[in-house]
Amino acid sequence: DSGVTQTPKHLITATGQRVTLRCSPRSGDLSVYWYQQSLDQGLQFLIQYYNGEERAKGNILERFSAQQFPDLHSELNLSSLELGDSALYFCASSATGRRVTFGSGTRLTVV
Amino acid sequence: KNEVEQSPQNLTAQEGEFITINCSYSVGISALHWLQQHPGGGIVSLFMLSSGKKKHGRLIATINIQEKHSSLHITASHPRDSAVYICAVSYSGAGSYQLTFGKGTKLSVIP
Repeated sequence: DSGVTQTPKHLITATGQRVTLRCSPRSGDLSVYWYQQSLDQGLQFLIQYYNGEERAKGNILERFSAQQFPDLHSELNLSSLELGDSALYFCASSATGRRVTFGSGTRLTVV
Repeated sequence: KNEVEQSPQNLTAQEGEFITINCSYSVGISALHWLQQHPGGGIVSLFMLSSGKKKHGRLIATINIQEKHSSLHITASHPRDSAVYICAVSYSGAGSYQLTFGKGTKLSVIP
């Protein structure tokens, strides 16, 4: 157990639907990062939150959004899903002086 | 745009062999990371480097800032080292884990 918990582990949904992926960071980590890993694009940084505030955006689509709550857990919301959104979505957390820790990922399949 | 190139894409080695995976990048960075992704999908951070060399067990990572190149070495390789090794970089002004990733090197170590 890495200390970063992601739920669900697997998700199958239809095109056009909306899903929410959840991440609980390692205890004490204020930063949460979301990454997407797809077969054609590889790993990509999506977005970072630090202590509840958005810190940086990467290649995140407008159909996707995220937030970090006061208890530091984070959610990634994916809407109007397309087949191409099928991917592994990783959450990671870090704190100053500590190496990043990745969650085990959520495998999203859009059918 | 900072491109991260890894070589080789695939590597098969006999148990006990010394292994080298290379990573090159195109613009200045603040840090370079080596990650390991197991067949089940989980990602582990192995090293974060900004200069010089780091060693952890049988793993050694080096970086040459002038040449924009890093290497990951595995000494006395073992079948349990079989995984995908991913190089990633972060650049100045960005958070440590706003990463740009290489495509990975798939290592298979045969007993």
